[in-house]
Amino acid sequence: DIQMTQSPSSLSASVGDTVTITCQASQDISDYLNWYQHKPGKAPKLLIYDASTLETGVPSRFSGGGSGTDFTFTITGLQPEDIATYYCQHYDNLPITFGQGTRLDFK
Amino acid sequence: QVQLQESGPGLVKASQTVSLTCTVSGGSISSGNYYWSWIRQPAGKGLEWIGRISTTGGTSYNPSLKSRVTISIDTSKNQFSLNLSSVTASDTAVYYCARGGDSGNYYGFVYWGQGTLVTVSS
Repeated sequence: DIQMTQSPSSLSASVGDTVTITCQASQDISDYLNWYQHKPGKAPKLLIYDASTLETGVPSRFSGGGSGTDFTFTITGLQPEDIATYYCQHYDNLPITFGQGTRLDFK
Repeated sequence: QVQLQESGPGLVKASQTVSLTCTVSGGSISSGNYYWSWIRQPAGKGLEWIGRISTTGGTSYNPSLKSRVTISIDTSKNQFSLNLSSVTASDTAVYYCARGGDSGNYYGFVYWGQGTLVTVSS
């Protein structure tokens, strides 16, 4: 199985900040990587697919990058509604696996 | 707009089999070439992909659960189902059904059910 390692596991920031989460795959996954936002009591929401493509309707303050084994997810200009847990997920092969999540909250 | 809705028992006893169903609305489960997945999240933990079934009935399972999991599809009811046998407390989780998108986001989980909590009691 491909292991997905996210860092940090938790993050505190202020409105307007730029925050970056990293995700490292245990082997080369090209750009077969998705990012999700997950709020308590709701289903996860796909934000970015193919490592850097913004899903339709997702605000442009969200962005993703990277390829191979190292990926980043950035929120530029944090908004109150962005408080959530964020997950990376690969789809290079089966089984599909997720990172352990990064919990984002306000300082 | 495709919508998914999980249903099933909220409480199951250890060693038993839990059966969950995902009902699809807003489109036919048999149209298109999609994968229909089950994903779970134990309390306080991350997301775990359980397995998936294709429109044509082909299945793939997470090796960590493969010996206990069966996913099936019922096109006449527009549903797909998850059976997880010999459950233990570690199977207590919110279970989601999900499907990929229609274009470039095909391999992303775009459509999700709201999730159903399954608690395993001793």
